[in-house]
Amino acid sequence: QKEVEQNSGPLSVPEGAIASLNCTYSDRGSQSFFWYRQYSGKSPELIMFIYSNGDKEDGRFTAQLNKASQYVSLLIRDSQPSDSATYLCAVLSMEYGNKLVFGAGTILRVKS
Amino acid sequence: GAVVSQHPSRVICKSGTSVKIECRSLDFQATTMFWYRQFPKQSLMLMATSNEGSKATYEQGVEKDKFLINHASLTLSTLTVTSAHPEDSSFYICSALIAGAYNEQFFGPGTRLTVL
Repeated sequence: QKEVEQNSGPLSVPEGAIASLNCTYSDRGSQSFFWYRQYSGKSPELIMFIYSNGDKEDGRFTAQLNKASQYVSLLIRDSQPSDSATYLCAVLSMEYGNKLVFGAGTILRVKS
Repeated sequence: GAVVSQHPSRVICKSGTSVKIECRSLDFQATTMFWYRQFPKQSLMLMATSNEGSKATYEQGVEKDKFLINHASLTLSTLTVTSAHPEDSSFYICSALIAGAYNEQFFGPGTRLTVL
């Protein structure tokens, strides 16, 4: 069973703070890691992906990957109320034919 | 990012009828598309992988005769829910794969199906 685990939350942070979202995965063969944002009633929107150990920054977002620990995280700097959503971690393994395995998602609430 | 459309966005139908949902990649060609279902407060559940020009691959527990998938072109995949029942009411979302080094998937806006 290939699993992706996320804390369901909700994670509450004040406006302007850093929100830290975490994800662990069980399949050591996983190769690419994606973060999606999903607003209530809407479909997921790709925020960023990472495939190498270390940090990857894109604007206010930073993804961090540690393959040895099987851990991937998303940091959101200067959090805004519009960042309030469910954040889905997804993992891709070529062994499973390009299929993404999703975590259950973490609810983030940014309070103004 | 790449744009994927779905039609219709919402559909209400009577029990026993069939509903067709279209998924289109608008600015790229997608040999592979995926169909997901999402129930309230749950994560996405992959139903099937749709490959252009070949039969779809269904996940365990998904009835292929109930959820018919056709991927006739590089920009269009359709999902037909046959003989729909109230328990099929859900949010159906497709995604299209940009094959390459990272295999990113871009999602359509989803179709809300309500079966009365």
